[in-house]
Amino acid sequence: DGGITQSPKYLFRKEGQNVTLSCEQNLNHDAMYWYRQDPGQGLRLIYYSQIVNDFQKGDIAEGYSVSREKKESFPLTVTSAQKNPTAFYLCATQTSETSETQYFGPGTRLLVL
Amino acid sequence: AQSVTQPDIHITVSEGASLELRCNYSYGATPYLFWYVQSPGQGLQLLLKYFSGDTLVQGIKGFEAEFKRSQSSFNLRKPSVHWSDAAEYFCAVGAGNTGKLIFGQGTTLQVKP
Repeated sequence: DGGITQSPKYLFRKEGQNVTLSCEQNLNHDAMYWYRQDPGQGLRLIYYSQIVNDFQKGDIAEGYSVSREKKESFPLTVTSAQKNPTAFYLCATQTSETSETQYFGPGTRLLVL
Repeated sequence: AQSVTQPDIHITVSEGASLELRCNYSYGATPYLFWYVQSPGQGLQLLLKYFSGDTLVQGIKGFEAEFKRSQSSFNLRKPSVHWSDAAEYFCAVGAGNTGKLIFGQGTTLQVKP
């Protein structure tokens, strides 16, 4: 069964807590992306990685961190420095060709307790 | 800087009526253009894409879009809307050779019976 898996589907964060969102793919795609989605604001890029062991900040990287130790995995950590983390988080993948389509996972909804 | 504008935040059409969702982009070179659809609480699904060639592009679910360079537009159309088309629609432009996408704010489509 191929595709992009995001877990958990729902995640609850307490004040001052770091939480990690998982994104796994078996499409053998080189590039992976994390987006944040808020109502009425479309999708905003948090971080992206075009190759293992390398990643770049997107437009709203503050309060987030990532790692890319394996081609298949691109976890996103929402740190306590992110003061407004409640949102829908989407992971996407893309082949090495930068003109190619991005494919999206099912998303994780993060809520603050 | 690249940007995408979807002028209509919310559109309501009757089932069986035709549909056109507007998208305007700002980009210096020939753009890569995409339309995605998102059902509530789900990831994004690609409807169609334009890279080059024929300016009228056919997609899945009976959708089509026309690239008009002179108007910097990439409007999405469907001749007869079905109730299952109710969703949020996003237009996106490929941002140069980085592989990144710039998304519009989205248009929510409601279908009346």
